[in-house]
Amino acid sequence: QQPVQSPQAVILREGEDAVINCSSSKALYSVHWYRQKHGEAPVFLMILLKGGEQKGHDKISASFNEKKQQSSLYLTASQLSYSGTYFCGTGDGGATNKLIFGTGTLLAVQP
Amino acid sequence: DTAVSQTPKYLVTQMGNDKSIKCEQNLGHDTMYWYKQDSKKFLKIMFSYNNKELIINETVPNRFSPKSPDKAHLNLHINSLELGDSAVYFCASCVSGANVLTFGAGSRLTVL
Repeated sequence: QQPVQSPQAVILREGEDAVINCSSSKALYSVHWYRQKHGEAPVFLMILLKGGEQKGHDKISASFNEKKQQSSLYLTASQLSYSGTYFCGTGDGGATNKLIFGTGTLLAVQP
Repeated sequence: DTAVSQTPKYLVTQMGNDKSIKCEQNLGHDTMYWYKQDSKKFLKIMFSYNNKELIINETVPNRFSPKSPDKAHLNLHINSLELGDSAVYFCASCVSGANVLTFGAGSRLTVL
């Protein structure tokens, strides 16, 4: 079943912060985050493999709460270049560990 | 350039026709995927091949037939196209296990 992301959409001014949540009804073995700019392909941001793991890249970071079957993506001091649709992806832990993408969150950063 | 490349980028066709989309990657990855992105932007996995072997086959109509002649290529053939097949089809590849996907630019299929 598809992970559910919240919010569905968010509008920010440059410099503001945002949090995007990803919740799964199934156990999570890994969580990926991707960003898709309008008209382009999704691009990998980061992967979290262990419960409790936190990662950061520039001003974008993520956490993974294995017990709650949730992950959150934190965008700090947002820039115009952060605009796009963010997807979490969850590995099912099976033999193929197929990646199931969440419902997506549209982020628009305005000047 | 190292990349995942798909052709064609755009496809416009009539209902009932048959069409193919091709994908090639030169990243040395051993696993390739087809994902479908509908008008609501949902990304749904369709198929996956690992070293030419089909490993994932989601609930997809059998009008869709993937083929992988080698681990660097994955094609998608669609028979008897329907209106609901209109979508952007993304090819992706990865090294098996890590599952960090590199996507192609997508092929936008419009069925009239």
